[in-house]
Amino acid sequence: QLVVTQSPSVSASLGASVKLTCTLSSGHRTYAIAWHQQQTEKGPRYLMKINSDGSHSKGDGIPDRFSGSSSGAERSLTISSLQSEDEADYYCLAWDTDMWVFGGGTKLTVL
Amino acid sequence: EVQLVESGGVVVHPGGSLRLSCAASGFTFDDYAMHWVRQAPGKGLEWVSLISWDGRTTYYTDSVKGRFTISRDNTRNSLYLQMKSLRPEDTAFYYCTKDIYSDGFYFDSWGQGTLVTVSS
Repeated sequence: QLVVTQSPSVSASLGASVKLTCTLSSGHRTYAIAWHQQQTEKGPRYLMKINSDGSHSKGDGIPDRFSGSSSGAERSLTISSLQSEDEADYYCLAWDTDMWVFGGGTKLTVL
Repeated sequence: EVQLVESGGVVVHPGGSLRLSCAASGFTFDDYAMHWVRQAPGKGLEWVSLISWDGRTTYYTDSVKGRFTISRDNTRNSLYLQMKSLRPEDTAFYYCTKDIYSDGFYFDSWGQGTLVTVSS
């Protein structure tokens, strides 16, 4: 069964870099994922898709500060030069033939 | 610019029915599959359902199978979610999302959501 695991929370300082990771379940290590951002009291926004080889494709208007990478079953989103507006919940989405599965989300706090 | 505008969210009693709508613009609607995603207040995102570009293929998460029906009207650029036998645990913001392909891959655009509250 496809399962996506994320750390519940992470914090980092303004101007620093942070890496958010989601982990795919056993048997799904080659799957791509997509990251979505949800700021407080707003609807989600698509950030990027990350393939198993680390290649990624970003949504329209997503700043260069956002990048993606992959290692084994992990798909990571790195945000550099953190800004206050990056404080949000970040969700990882994976999919199979007939199902789409979100991770539990990671709350990013910018200190 | 892709725009997705959901409507139809209201307060409904347990066991009741409701139909949500999503008006799409800014893209060729019948080229793409569409999804519904929901989020209970203070909780994470949950995928609900997908419909292919032509409406022939639909998928549902287990908790709504037999109770919810996704449909679309490509002549009206609209997506729908018919919900029946509603339960308190169906209380959530419901988001309409656009897939990047015709038959279902992943989604790259979201609406602003509409709130469904199931309560007596």
